Amino acid sequence: SQTIHQWPATLVQPVGSPLSLECTVEGTSNPNLYWYRQAAGRGLQLLFYSVGIGQISSEVPQNLSASRPQDRQFILSSKKLLLSDSGFYLCAWSDRANTEAFFGQGTRLTVV
Amino acid sequence: AQSVAQPEDQVNVAEGNPLTVKCTYSVSGNPYLFWYVQYPNRGLQFLLKYITGDNLVKGSYGFEAEFNKSQTSFHLKKPSALVSDSALYFCAVRGPSNSNSGYALNFGKGTSLLVTP
Repeated sequence: SQTIHQWPATLVQPVGSPLSLECTVEGTSNPNLYWYRQAAGRGLQLLFYSVGIGQISSEVPQNLSASRPQDRQFILSSKKLLLSDSGFYLCAWSDRANTEAFFGQGTRLTVV
Repeated sequence: AQSVAQPEDQVNVAEGNPLTVKCTYSVSGNPYLFWYVQYPNRGLQFLLKYITGDNLVKGSYGFEAEFNKSQTSFHLKKPSALVSDSALYFCAVRGPSNSNSGYALNFGKGTSLLVTP
């Protein structure tokens, strides 16, 4: 069966520090991968998606970047965090049939 | 653009009563619609989906949803609510089929369901 791992679960970082959140998927090949951000416990905003290794598309301009160094690994990064980067970050995957997406448990990021 | 709307920020229902969480959609072409549930500080869990076929879709934990094309709605329902159903519920629609969004899901803003004993 397929599983998705996302870590860390919580993170407190000072303004201006770098960020690296990692997500890995097991039990599938060539997944579509996504990073979402959820602010204030509500709506989800799509940040990045990837349909293959090295292929990253950004949905909104921001202080963040994403990379996909391996087929089932998706990384969210920032060189210098802003206060506004605080939120709940969710990684998700879907298969090539492109129906439902499956989510990781999320990372609560607080920038102080 | 594909989008969904959840008109209610919160729904309150007594345990044992039926519940409905509303969702309307706006899509070009055939809609791919989904419901997810989120418990505090957790990821989203998939409940059910409508792709094609029967308008009444059954999903996890006793939930079901009815696809209504004429009303462009996909309301989530459960015949008898449980206190443990209290959570945040999201309706979602799949992105357009031209792959510009990698088939990412577009979510509604969520509806908080509170089931009281």
